[in-house]
Amino acid sequence: DPKIIQKPKYLVAVTGSEKILICEQYLGHNAMYWYRQSAKKPLEFMFSYSYQKLMDNQTASSRFQPQSSKKNHLDLQITALKPDDSATYFCASSQAAGGAAEQFFGPGTRLTVL
Amino acid sequence: GDSVTQKQGQVTLSEDDFLFINCTYSTTTYPTLLWYVQYPGQGPQLLLKVTTANNKGISRGFEATYDKGTTSFHLQKASVQESDSAVYFCALVDGTGGYKVVFGSGTRLLVSP
Repeated sequence: DPKIIQKPKYLVAVTGSEKILICEQYLGHNAMYWYRQSAKKPLEFMFSYSYQKLMDNQTASSRFQPQSSKKNHLDLQITALKPDDSATYFCASSQAAGGAAEQFFGPGTRLTVL
Repeated sequence: GDSVTQKQGQVTLSEDDFLFINCTYSTTTYPTLLWYVQYPGQGPQLLLKVTTANNKGISRGFEATYDKGTTSFHLQKASVQESDSAVYFCALVDGTGGYKVVFGSGTRLLVSP
């Protein structure tokens, strides 16, 4: 059974719209993260959460808003979508906060903005 | 800030060839260095991890040695198999707070039978 679930697997959106990317982990981890991977840039850290609190934010735009309704959930809301937002978004989790703890990655959501 | 450099975009080998993937890093702290592997349609998975305490990591026939003098963390494998075909990312743990992993640009390995 998959331990980190990301929904949907593929997502197509129009410019200016809003989408929510879902992430749930069943590893019992206390920290969760979002990364982005595109053709232009390597895997890029976006956010980290520990016990549902924001720990680090490397995303310049406020259009990206993580939402944590439960300890094992970390969704990503993206507003006013732009074609440059097209990428695969990976959710990850680790037992404890801090990159030294192994981060396990989900399968990703591939977002295409037209 | 911290950074990782992988200059080889792609490496093409035949089965049983020796693999060497170059990685250099830049950081002002004592890093934890990582190699991740990503197969098509999947997220990255940790292959091995090295800290300044142990200097060398070995996993599934792959090994990497941390060299502080040259700030390098190259990945090697004595004999590759077709199933090793994937993208390999060198990475380091950000030393300031340690909450994020900084990835290199990745090296695609293609192994032909």
